[in-house]
Amino acid sequence: AQKITQTQPGMFVQEKEAVTLDCTYDTSDQSYGLFWYKQPSSGEMIFLIYQGSYDEQNATEGRYSLNFQKARKSANLVISASQLGDSAMYFCAMREPRDDSWGKLQFGAGTQVVVTP
Amino acid sequence: DAGVIQSPRHEVTEMGQEVTLRCKPISGHDYLFWYRQTMMRGLELLIYFNNNVPIDDSGMPEDRFSAKMPNASFSTLKIQPSEPRDSAVYFCASSLGGAAEETQYFGPGTRLLVL
Repeated sequence: AQKITQTQPGMFVQEKEAVTLDCTYDTSDQSYGLFWYKQPSSGEMIFLIYQGSYDEQNATEGRYSLNFQKARKSANLVISASQLGDSAMYFCAMREPRDDSWGKLQFGAGTQVVVTP
Repeated sequence: DAGVIQSPRHEVTEMGQEVTLRCKPISGHDYLFWYRQTMMRGLELLIYFNNNVPIDDSGMPEDRFSAKMPNASFSTLKIQPSEPRDSAVYFCASSLGGAAEETQYFGPGTRLLVL
C-alpha cells in the first residue's frame, strides 16, 4: 500500500505567489516524522523542512511552512512568495519506527513545480 | 563542511559488467543510506547502515546487488553483473542519528546507464 500520496503530479505557479503542495500519508503508528525535500533539475536532493507527529506547532523554515493536520493525515507544504529558483520536484517523505530503528524514509511520487515570471 | 560525496557522478557501462558506486558520508554521521531513483519506481531505499553495520537490506533488488561499509567514512554499492534495468540515479545519504527527526542529507547521486 502506498504510504505517501502526492496527488499533484505537476503545477504552475506565478512568481511571488504562494503555492501549496499536497501530501497525505498512511501509518498506524502514533510516532512518526514527516519531511519535505526539493530536487531541482540538477538532481540533488535538498532537505527543506521536518514535522514530528507530536509537534503541536506547524513547522516553518523561511518561506517554507508545513500545514500539518494530524487527524486527516495530511502534511502539505506551503511555499510563500515563489521565486524562479523554486522550480523543482518536491517530495514528501515519512519515517516510522521499526524494530527500535528509525532508518527508513519512504517517499511520495513527487510534485513538479514550475514557477513562471 | 563537506556534504555527502559520491563517485562517480556518471557511469556508463555495458550489460554484464561490474559497477561499483562509492560514498563518503558526512563526518560524524552514524547512519548511511543507499537509495535508487527511477521514473517507474520513484525513490526507494536499498539498504542502510548504522555504525557500519547493515540494518535493513530488504530493498536490495537481488543478489546482483551488494553493499559494504568497511569503515565510518566509506561505503560501496556494487552491481555484478549489471543489467539495463539497473539504469537509475543512485543516491547515498547520511544522518547523524537514527531518531525520527534526524535529517538525511543526500549526496549528488550517481547516474548509472547500463547499455
